[in-house]
Amino acid sequence: AAGVIQSPRHLIKEKRETATLKCYPIPRHDTVYWYQQGPGQDPQFLISFYEKMQSDKGSIPDRFSAQQFSDYHSELNMSSLELGDSALYFCASSGPDRGGTFGSGTRLTVV
Amino acid sequence: QKEVEQDPGPLSVPEGAIVSLNCTYSNSAFQYFMWYRQYSRKGPELLMYTYSSGNKEDGRFTAQVDKSSKYISLFIRDSQPSDSATYLCAMILLTGGGNKLTFGTGTQLKVEL
Repeated sequence: AAGVIQSPRHLIKEKRETATLKCYPIPRHDTVYWYQQGPGQDPQFLISFYEKMQSDKGSIPDRFSAQQFSDYHSELNMSSLELGDSALYFCASSGPDRGGTFGSGTRLTVV
Repeated sequence: QKEVEQDPGPLSVPEGAIVSLNCTYSNSAFQYFMWYRQYSRKGPELLMYTYSSGNKEDGRFTAQVDKSSKYISLFIRDSQPSDSATYLCAMILLTGGGNKLTFGTGTQLKVEL
Protein backbone atom coordinates (compact mmCIF):
# COMPACT_ATOMS: atom_id res chain seq x y z
CA ALA A 1 0.00 0.00 0.00
CA ALA A 2 1.14 3.53 -0.72
CA GLY A 3 2.64 5.32 2.25
CA VAL A 4 3.49 8.90 3.05
CA ILE A 5 6.50 9.94 1.03
CA GLN A 6 8.91 12.58 2.22
CA SER A 7 11.85 14.09 0.43
CA PRO A 8 14.68 14.51 0.80
CA ARG A 9 15.64 11.90 3.39
CA HIS A 10 18.64 13.89 4.52
CA LEU A 11 19.51 17.54 4.13
CA ILE A 12 22.51 19.51 5.27
CA LYS A 13 22.32 23.28 5.23
CA GLU A 14 24.38 26.12 6.58
CA LYS A 15 23.11 28.69 9.02
CA ARG A 16 20.94 31.36 7.44
CA GLU A 17 20.22 29.22 4.41
CA THR A 18 16.77 28.11 3.26
CA ALA A 19 15.40 24.58 3.11
CA THR A 20 12.29 23.12 1.52
CA LEU A 21 10.90 19.80 2.66
CA LYS A 22 8.27 17.93 0.67
CA CYS A 23 5.53 15.56 1.70
CA TYR A 24 3.28 13.42 -0.47
CA PRO A 25 0.35 12.10 1.58
CA ILE A 26 -1.47 8.85 1.11
CA PRO A 27 -4.00 9.18 -1.74
CA ARG A 28 -7.45 10.28 -0.55
CA HIS A 29 -6.14 11.41 2.81
CA ASP A 30 -7.55 14.86 3.48
CA THR A 31 -5.28 16.10 6.28
CA VAL A 32 -1.52 16.64 6.34
CA TYR A 33 0.46 17.35 9.50
CA TRP A 34 4.04 18.51 9.99
CA TYR A 35 6.03 17.66 13.08
CA GLN A 36 9.51 18.48 14.31
CA GLN A 37 11.33 15.99 16.51
CA GLY A 38 14.57 16.85 18.23
CA PRO A 39 16.91 14.16 19.60
CA GLY A 40 15.25 12.27 22.43
CA GLN A 41 12.10 14.38 22.23
CA ASP A 42 8.54 13.61 21.28
CA PRO A 43 7.19 15.05 18.03
CA GLN A 44 6.26 18.72 18.25
CA PHE A 45 3.33 19.77 16.11
CA LEU A 46 4.10 22.54 13.63
CA ILE A 47 1.15 22.96 11.29
CA SER A 48 -1.62 21.05 9.53
CA PHE A 49 -3.70 21.34 6.38
CA TYR A 50 -7.19 20.05 5.70
CA GLU A 51 -8.28 19.97 2.09
CA LYS A 52 -5.45 22.31 1.13
CA MET A 53 -6.35 24.93 3.72
CA GLN A 54 -4.33 25.55 6.88
CA SER A 55 -6.37 24.00 9.68
CA ASP A 56 -4.21 24.20 12.78
CA LYS A 57 -0.97 25.83 13.84
CA GLY A 58 1.37 24.73 16.56
CA SER A 59 4.82 25.86 17.59
CA ILE A 60 5.96 26.81 14.13
CA PRO A 61 8.52 29.63 14.02
CA ASP A 62 7.74 32.67 11.91
CA ARG A 63 10.76 31.74 9.77
CA PHE A 64 8.87 28.63 8.64
CA SER A 65 5.94 28.50 6.29
CA ALA A 66 4.03 25.69 4.68
CA GLN A 67 1.41 25.11 2.08
CA GLN A 68 -0.55 22.33 0.49
CA PHE A 69 -0.89 22.23 -3.26
CA SER A 70 -3.69 21.20 -5.60
CA ASP A 71 -2.27 17.68 -5.86
CA TYR A 72 -2.34 17.50 -2.03
CA HIS A 73 1.40 17.40 -1.60
CA SER A 74 2.73 19.77 1.02
CA GLU A 75 5.94 21.72 1.39
CA LEU A 76 7.55 23.10 4.52
CA ASN A 77 9.76 26.09 3.80
CA MET A 78 12.35 27.02 6.37
CA SER A 79 14.34 30.23 6.05
CA SER A 80 17.19 31.81 8.02
CA LEU A 81 18.07 28.39 9.36
CA GLU A 82 19.52 28.17 12.84
CA LEU A 83 21.55 25.41 14.45
CA GLY A 84 18.55 24.64 16.66
CA ASP A 85 16.48 23.76 13.61
CA SER A 86 18.48 20.55 13.24
CA ALA A 87 15.93 17.81 13.79
CA LEU A 88 13.85 15.12 12.18
CA TYR A 89 10.88 16.58 10.35
CA PHE A 90 7.94 14.26 9.93
CA CYS A 91 4.91 14.59 7.78
CA ALA A 92 1.76 12.58 8.50
CA SER A 93 -1.54 12.27 6.73
CA SER A 94 -4.91 11.05 7.84
CA GLY A 95 -8.05 10.29 5.92
CA PRO A 96 -11.26 8.32 6.01
CA ASP A 97 -9.59 5.56 8.03
CA ARG A 98 -8.32 8.25 10.44
CA GLY A 99 -5.26 6.30 11.42
CA GLY A 100 -2.64 8.96 10.85
CA THR A 101 0.34 7.57 8.98
CA PHE A 102 3.80 9.05 9.09
CA GLY A 103 6.46 9.32 6.47
CA SER A 104 10.03 8.28 7.19
CA GLY A 105 11.03 11.83 7.87
CA THR A 106 13.63 14.29 6.66
CA ARG A 107 16.72 14.65 8.78
CA LEU A 108 17.82 18.25 8.62
CA THR A 109 21.27 19.16 9.85
CA VAL A 110 22.20 22.81 10.08
CA VAL A 111 25.92 23.49 10.30
CA GLN B 1 -2.51 20.59 31.63
CA LYS B 2 -1.76 18.76 28.40
CA GLU B 3 -4.69 17.38 26.45
CA VAL B 4 -3.08 13.96 26.35
CA GLU B 5 -1.06 12.59 29.25
CA GLN B 6 1.05 9.49 28.92
CA ASP B 7 2.65 7.50 31.68
CA PRO B 8 6.29 8.44 31.84
CA GLY B 9 8.99 5.85 31.17
CA PRO B 10 11.35 4.40 30.79
CA LEU B 11 9.77 1.01 31.30
CA SER B 12 11.97 -2.07 31.53
CA VAL B 13 10.47 -5.57 31.45
CA PRO B 14 11.82 -9.10 30.98
CA GLU B 15 11.20 -10.95 27.74
CA GLY B 16 7.81 -12.65 27.72
CA ALA B 17 6.20 -10.17 30.09
CA ILE B 18 2.88 -8.47 29.46
CA VAL B 19 3.37 -4.76 28.95
CA SER B 20 0.70 -2.17 29.70
CA LEU B 21 1.05 1.32 28.26
CA ASN B 22 -1.50 3.97 29.18
CA CYS B 23 -2.72 7.42 28.24
CA THR B 24 -5.41 9.69 29.59
CA TYR B 25 -7.01 12.60 27.82
CA SER B 26 -9.08 15.55 28.81
CA ASN B 27 -11.04 16.40 25.68
CA SER B 28 -14.06 14.15 25.31
CA ALA B 29 -14.37 15.25 21.69
CA PHE B 30 -11.43 13.07 20.59
CA GLN B 31 -12.83 10.48 18.25
CA TYR B 32 -9.96 8.36 16.99
CA PHE B 33 -7.26 6.79 19.08
CA MET B 34 -3.94 5.47 17.85
CA TRP B 35 -0.80 3.86 19.13
CA TYR B 36 2.52 4.35 17.38
CA ARG B 37 5.84 2.61 17.82
CA GLN B 38 8.97 4.58 17.11
CA TYR B 39 12.42 3.11 16.86
CA SER B 40 15.38 5.39 17.27
CA ARG B 41 15.89 7.71 14.28
CA LYS B 42 12.82 6.33 12.51
CA GLY B 43 9.36 7.72 11.86
CA PRO B 44 6.45 6.72 14.11
CA GLU B 45 4.85 3.51 12.85
CA LEU B 46 1.12 3.12 13.26
CA LEU B 47 0.37 0.02 15.32
CA MET B 48 -3.31 0.25 16.07
CA TYR B 49 -6.16 2.67 15.73
CA THR B 50 -9.72 2.53 16.95
CA TYR B 51 -12.68 4.82 17.34
CA SER B 52 -14.95 3.07 19.79
CA SER B 53 -14.77 2.02 23.40
CA GLY B 54 -13.71 -1.55 23.93
CA ASN B 55 -10.84 -3.76 22.90
CA LYS B 56 -9.19 -4.27 19.55
CA GLU B 57 -6.72 -7.08 19.11
CA ASP B 58 -4.00 -7.55 16.51
CA GLY B 59 -1.58 -10.35 17.15
CA ARG B 60 0.26 -9.70 20.38
CA PHE B 61 -1.17 -6.20 20.64
CA THR B 62 -4.47 -5.17 22.21
CA ALA B 63 -5.71 -1.60 22.22
CA GLN B 64 -8.29 -0.68 24.82
CA VAL B 65 -10.37 2.49 24.89
CA ASP B 66 -12.58 3.63 27.73
CA LYS B 67 -14.27 6.82 26.60
CA SER B 68 -16.22 7.24 29.83
CA SER B 69 -12.96 7.39 31.79
CA LYS B 70 -11.01 9.08 28.97
CA TYR B 71 -8.39 6.40 29.17
CA ILE B 72 -6.65 4.29 26.55
CA SER B 73 -4.22 1.43 26.90
CA LEU B 74 -1.98 -0.71 24.75
CA PHE B 75 -1.18 -4.20 25.94
CA ILE B 76 1.71 -6.19 24.50
CA ARG B 77 1.69 -9.90 25.23
CA ASP B 78 4.77 -12.11 25.16
CA SER B 79 6.99 -9.07 24.80
CA GLN B 80 10.12 -9.45 22.71
CA PRO B 81 13.41 -7.52 22.64
CA SER B 82 12.34 -6.25 19.22
CA ASP B 83 9.45 -4.46 20.96
CA SER B 84 11.99 -2.15 22.60
CA ALA B 85 11.05 1.28 21.30
CA THR B 86 9.18 4.41 22.24
CA TYR B 87 5.41 4.08 22.18
CA LEU B 88 3.28 7.12 21.50
CA CYS B 89 -0.44 7.38 21.96
CA ALA B 90 -2.27 9.82 19.72
CA MET B 91 -5.79 11.05 19.19
CA ILE B 92 -7.64 12.78 16.44
CA LEU B 93 -10.23 15.45 16.94
CA LEU B 94 -12.48 15.91 13.94
CA THR B 95 -13.63 19.45 13.33
CA GLY B 96 -15.52 21.09 10.54
CA GLY B 97 -12.42 22.97 9.51
CA GLY B 98 -9.87 20.22 9.82
CA ASN B 99 -8.59 17.42 11.97
CA LYS B 100 -6.26 17.77 14.91
CA LEU B 101 -3.78 15.03 15.74
CA THR B 102 -2.47 15.22 19.29
CA PHE B 103 0.28 13.03 20.75
CA GLY B 104 1.21 11.89 24.19
CA THR B 105 4.82 12.40 25.19
CA GLY B 106 5.77 8.78 24.64
CA THR B 107 6.85 5.90 26.83
CA GLN B 108 10.24 4.32 26.25
CA LEU B 109 10.06 0.54 26.56
CA LYS B 110 12.97 -1.82 26.94
CA VAL B 111 12.43 -5.56 26.81
CA GLU B 112 15.40 -7.39 28.23
CA LEU B 113 16.56 -10.94 27.55
